[in-house]
Amino acid sequence: GAVVSQHPSWVICKSGTSVKIECRSLDFQATTMFWYRQFPKQSLMLMATSNEGSKATYEQGVEKDKFLINHASLTLSTLTVTSAHPEDSSFYICSARGGGLAGDNEQFFGPGTRLTVL
Amino acid sequence: AQSVAQPEDQVNVAEGNPLTVKCTYSVSGNPYLFWYVQYPNRGLQFLLKYITGDNLVKGSYGFEAEFNKSQTSFHLKKPSALVSDSALYFCAVRDGAGGFKTIFGAGTRLFVKA
Repeated sequence: GAVVSQHPSWVICKSGTSVKIECRSLDFQATTMFWYRQFPKQSLMLMATSNEGSKATYEQGVEKDKFLINHASLTLSTLTVTSAHPEDSSFYICSARGGGLAGDNEQFFGPGTRLTVL
Repeated sequence: AQSVAQPEDQVNVAEGNPLTVKCTYSVSGNPYLFWYVQYPNRGLQFLLKYITGDNLVKGSYGFEAEFNKSQTSFHLKKPSALVSDSALYFCAVRDGAGGFKTIFGAGTRLFVKA
């Protein structure tokens, strides 16, 4: 099946620094990628949707200047948390919409990145 | 707008007994329905989906779910629970009328006792 990877799997950073999380579709081209945020013991909240080569569409309440999303290629999307604060600590999960062999209706999830801001 | 409800925060069941995790949904178009499982500090694992066709959908690890249009439900079931099934389960819905936005339920934690 189609595989989505995330890097890093966990990261600890100091308050005020920026952190970049990568999401890659390993064996298919992802026309659309999604970024979710999950707080402890809560559901996934969609943050933004990005299509390759265009600007991301952010959900209401998500600060686009704080959570920068770049979908530069059909296999890579990055989420940069700028000027991170402790309240940004969370589990970030990306997913990718497949095409071709992966099936256009399928959505594949990465393993998640745990961010801890001190 | 689409929405998903998982009315139970937690479900407890003894190993070997059948289990049901409930889910109801609301969409304006035809629903695309999904179940995912999440283990601690892990991403989501796909269990099964309903797009069209038979109302009873069979998925991974012996799980199945039944699409009930009149009750707008998509309950997850398994005939005989295993301790290893203990995890967090999410129901999700996408509006088949357009777009690719998937909305997740709040999640139900399943505990299977030996």
